[in-house]
Amino acid sequence: KAGVTQTPRYLIKTRGQQVTLSCSPISGHRSVSWYQQTPGQGLQFLFEYFSETQRNKGNFPGRFSGRQFSNSRSEMNVSTLELGDSALYLCASRLTRDRGLEAFFGQGTRLTVV
Amino acid sequence: GDSVTQMEGPVTLSEEAFLTINCTYTATGYPSLFWYVQYPGEGLQLLLKATKADDKGSNKGFEATYRKETTSFHLEKGSVQVSDSAVYFCALNNNAGNMLTFGGGTRLMVKP
Repeated sequence: KAGVTQTPRYLIKTRGQQVTLSCSPISGHRSVSWYQQTPGQGLQFLFEYFSETQRNKGNFPGRFSGRQFSNSRSEMNVSTLELGDSALYLCASRLTRDRGLEAFFGQGTRLTVV
Repeated sequence: GDSVTQMEGPVTLSEEAFLTINCTYTATGYPSLFWYVQYPGEGLQLLLKATKADDKGSNKGFEATYRKETTSFHLEKGSVQVSDSAVYFCALNNNAGNMLTFGGGTRLMVKP
């Protein structure tokens, strides 16, 4: 069974540009969440999608957005990139929204903003 | 809001030593509790979990017990190996959905 796949693995972008990251969840999983990991702030929740609808959103500016498609694949977009957006972006999928279920993480996309 | 506090690392141990990584949480209600591990260059992997008070999660020799009275979920292992070197994250989920609240992570280094 394939795990959570995130593409690309590495990205280098310039300040002011925008970027789109992709996440393919485990087959059958309908809940997809995104997290930002930085040395200073640790792991922070960005948003969660379930059945193509955003269900939860973390405390990030509107430059961070996402969407989910009918096949549960998800994308997140960051517009007008800032240096501080450099981070590892992790996607996690879960079968349902049951809070006791394990979240399966992808290997992440390492974004560097220069 | 919810929060998780872990002991700061790095924790450096010799092989076969006993490991404890402390984790305490603040949350209303009855959250589910998790320990995740992150190896270099990788995403997070679930190590163990507990979904109600007094539950003990265990996996690969690691154990943690959900203590409601002390709001704690300390990770223990009786004999660590070099291959256990990684960063360990305590986390909770207190609402429907996929929103995990993480502690700051504890880096474990095991020396031969």
